[in-house]
Amino acid sequence: EAGVAQSPRYKIIEKRQSVAFWCNPISGHATLYWYQQILGQGPKLLIQFQNNGVVDDSQLPKDRFSAERLKGVDSTLKIQPAKLEDSAVYLCASSLDAGGNQPQHFGDGTRLSIL
Amino acid sequence: DQQVKQNSPSLSVQEGRISILNCDYTNSMFDYFLWYKKYPAEGPTFLISISSIKDKNEDGRFTVFLNKSAKHLSLHIVPSQPGDSAVYFCAANLYGGSQGNLIFGKGTKLSVKP
Repeated sequence: EAGVAQSPRYKIIEKRQSVAFWCNPISGHATLYWYQQILGQGPKLLIQFQNNGVVDDSQLPKDRFSAERLKGVDSTLKIQPAKLEDSAVYLCASSLDAGGNQPQHFGDGTRLSIL
Repeated sequence: DQQVKQNSPSLSVQEGRISILNCDYTNSMFDYFLWYKKYPAEGPTFLISISSIKDKNEDGRFTVFLNKSAKHLSLHIVPSQPGDSAVYFCAANLYGGSQGNLIFGKGTKLSVKP
């Protein structure tokens, strides 16, 4: 079974620029998550999708962050404009559905550096 | 305010011995707990979980213990192997199961020496 795919693996931009990350979840997984992991911290949920609908975006800084999951499969996370504090690893995870105890499977992340 | 705390940033253990990683939480409403393992430049990998209605769950060399009265859980690895060297994250969930908003600790870096 192919895992969660993310691209790019690394991105370096200057502050105030825009950036987008892409995630392809495990085939058949209805639930998709984006997490932000700042150096020395654990991952923090930004947004959760169930198919193509948003379940939880309470911790997403909506003034600069946006995410979509068209057709309930792939997802993109965008930051516009980026700030220095956005430097982090952005992790995408997916799980089979919103109920039960199937674990969240994580991709390898995109490491974002803001100059 | 951290709801899930891993107070030991690092732990070093000899191969073959037991590794014990600890995690404390503050929210008594958490009802599901998970441990994830993370190698450098990779995403976290699910290791083992436990529901709040249980006090122990075992999977091979890995056992998780939950003490609800103390709001404490621990992960035991026996015997420890060099390949277990990684960062271990404790995570908790309010909503049941492993879905939804997992609250992660800061992680403990385990080093298993040959």
